[in-house]
Amino acid sequence: AQKITQTQPGMFVQEKEAVTLDCTYDTSDQSYGLFWYKQPSSGEMIFLIYQGSYDEQNATEGRYSLNFQKARKSANLVISASQLGDSAMYFCAMREGRDSSASKIIFGSGTRLSIRP
Amino acid sequence: GAVVSQHPSWVICKSGTSVKIECRSLDFQATTMFWYRQFPKQSLMLMATSNEGSKATYEQGVEKDKFLINHASLTLSTLTVTSAHPEDSSFYICSARGQPISTEAFFGQGTRLTVV
Repeated sequence: AQKITQTQPGMFVQEKEAVTLDCTYDTSDQSYGLFWYKQPSSGEMIFLIYQGSYDEQNATEGRYSLNFQKARKSANLVISASQLGDSAMYFCAMREGRDSSASKIIFGSGTRLSIRP
Repeated sequence: GAVVSQHPSWVICKSGTSVKIECRSLDFQATTMFWYRQFPKQSLMLMATSNEGSKATYEQGVEKDKFLINHASLTLSTLTVTSAHPEDSSFYICSARGQPISTEAFFGQGTRLTVV
């Protein structure tokens, strides 16, 4: 069963607009972590934001915020005031179980975001 | 964030030869390293998890005799693709977690392997 679902294969957004990238997840663990990574065409994985399952506040990092709805098992990424440099693949990811250095992280299928000037 | 260096960034090899990819943590002790494979326009698929000083744990469907993983020190893990074939051509990327524990995993730059 797919654990991380990203239903938007691609999105086009006008520069300076806000954009929401969808992510739903499936886990039976009470403790887990959710991540968003950005992958530009160069291939590197850039960490954007993290949300722990017990965190009461939605995570924010600059223009990135994570809309965490635990009951719905969703962890959408919101990018405010999009920029041309935001064009890239975006992956939602999850770590299951209590955090330890051995906890593996699994990825969703990704969303390709393209920003129009 | 912590730095993970992966080498080489790209490699072309002949079918039937073996290729070694290195993943180094430069400023922290990587107790665990993860190896992923990514086909064009697809997601990262976890291949295996390696812990320093012990045998790697492979995900279902990944041939351990074909993809040899060694994690001999706290700063170095290697992935060797043995008897490479064109279907092994892919983007391979490592990530590392360690001490002190951080919430994120740090990724190498990736290696683009082309087998001709």
